[in-house]
Amino acid sequence: AQTVTQSQPEMSVQEAETVTLSCTYDTSESDYYLFWYKQPPSRQMILVIRQEAYKQQNATENRFSVNFQKAAKSFSLKISDSQLGDAAMYFCAYRSAASGTYKYIFGTGTRLKVLA
Amino acid sequence: SAVISQKPSRDICQRGTSLTIQCQVDSQVTMMFWYRQQPGQSLTLIATANQGSEATYESGFVIDKFPISRPNLTFSTLTVSNMSPEDSSIYLCSVVRGWGYEQYFGPGTRLTVT
Repeated sequence: AQTVTQSQPEMSVQEAETVTLSCTYDTSESDYYLFWYKQPPSRQMILVIRQEAYKQQNATENRFSVNFQKAAKSFSLKISDSQLGDAAMYFCAYRSAASGTYKYIFGTGTRLKVLA
Repeated sequence: SAVISQKPSRDICQRGTSLTIQCQVDSQVTMMFWYRQQPGQSLTLIATANQGSEATYESGFVIDKFPISRPNLTFSTLTVSNMSPEDSSIYLCSVVRGWGYEQYFGPGTRLTVT
């Protein structure tokens, strides 16, 4: 069975600085998808970034980028130029690419605090 | 993406009662799911809501406790039955559109059982 591990329950970053959130996963599959979701205090889950396992290039969305290391089964999220609005819980998630599979496996989350 | 609404946004209920949560999407979606998020915890999938047939439940969740309906491609309900304080959680609806692999989440329903 697949598992997703986020080893940092909480992280802090100074406004305008850069922070990296860690995520590791375990799977025997070769094709899958990885995601980072943000859940602010309003509790709406927002998709931040996604990565297809077959792509070697790391995904980037504005200030958010990932470091995808397939062999190491690592999928970290880098937030550049941190803003107060980035404060939230961040969840890493895995989804198999197998046909008919839609179930997400979520990590336990990392609470990010942004200091003014 | 998808515009998803949930009703109610929050509720406080007495033990032994039931609450039905509604999830409405702005356009047709392929898949709909219900998750539970206990305080300070991650998300746990309750079930997949199947259009026109019985929902598919995950291990540890049963239809008698969490009956689910999905009468069409844009609407689903989750009922939390015979509630106890342990059912106090955020309940989230999510959807998959078309043949995509991304899930989009509703704003959640915060349930407190006293």
